[in-house]
Amino acid sequence: DTAVSQTPKYLVTQMGNDKSIKCEQNLGHDTMYWYKQDSKKFLKIMFSYNNKELIINETVPNRFSPKSPDKAHLNLHINSLELGDSAVYFCASSLRGSVAPTEAFFGQGTRLTVV
Amino acid sequence: KNEVEQSPQNLTAQEGEFITINCSYSVGISALHWLQQHPGGGIVSLFMLSSGKKKHGRLIATINIQEKHSSLHITASHPRDSAVYICAVSPTGNQFYFGTGTSLTVIP
Repeated sequence: DTAVSQTPKYLVTQMGNDKSIKCEQNLGHDTMYWYKQDSKKFLKIMFSYNNKELIINETVPNRFSPKSPDKAHLNLHINSLELGDSAVYFCASSLRGSVAPTEAFFGQGTRLTVV
Repeated sequence: KNEVEQSPQNLTAQEGEFITINCSYSVGISALHWLQQHPGGGIVSLFMLSSGKKKHGRLIATINIQEKHSSLHITASHPRDSAVYICAVSPTGNQFYFGTGTSLTVIP
C-alpha cells in the first residue's frame, strides 16, 4: 500500500497554464507538506499544513496555493506557470509533534516541466 | 548560509568499501533525519534520530547533539546503494531544513 501518493508523476505544460498536483496520504497523519526540489537536488519547503495552521514559506510566489479538502489530501495549485517553475515537487506527511517530531513519509515526486 | 551542510557533495566508492557521509547543522533541533533518493525516484526516510546511534542492516546513523553533527555510514557498500543521501533537521515538529545532498555512486 502506498503511504503517500502523488499524481501525476510527470507533467508537461505550457507557460501561462494553470495546473494542479494531487497528494494523498493513508497514514492518518495530521500534517502534510509540499517541497520543491531544484535542479541541484536541493529540497526547499513550500508549505506545511494541518487542519489548524498553514505555514507558508515567504519565498513562495502567490501563484502557488495549497488546497486541502480533508486531512488526507493536500493538493498544490499553480497559476500562470513560468519556466522557472520546472522542478520536481514532493509531497510529504508526518504526525505533528511540537516537541517530538515524527518520521516524515514522502511521495514519489511530480516532475513538472514548463515549456 | 544553509542551516544544514553535508559533505562530501559527491562520492564514488568501490563495491565493498565502508562509506561515511557527514552532516553538520547550525540550529537547535528536535530530531535529525537521513533520507535516500534513488535516481528518478522518490524519497525514502532511512533514519530519524535525536541522540546516539541507530542501525538498520548495513546502514548506521550517529548523532552528536553537542557538536551538532551526524554521520551516515554504509558498511560493505553495494551498487544498489547508489543514490542521493539527504540530511534533514527538525527544529520543531512540523518543519524540516534540508542539506544539499550527497550523491553516492558505488562501482562494481
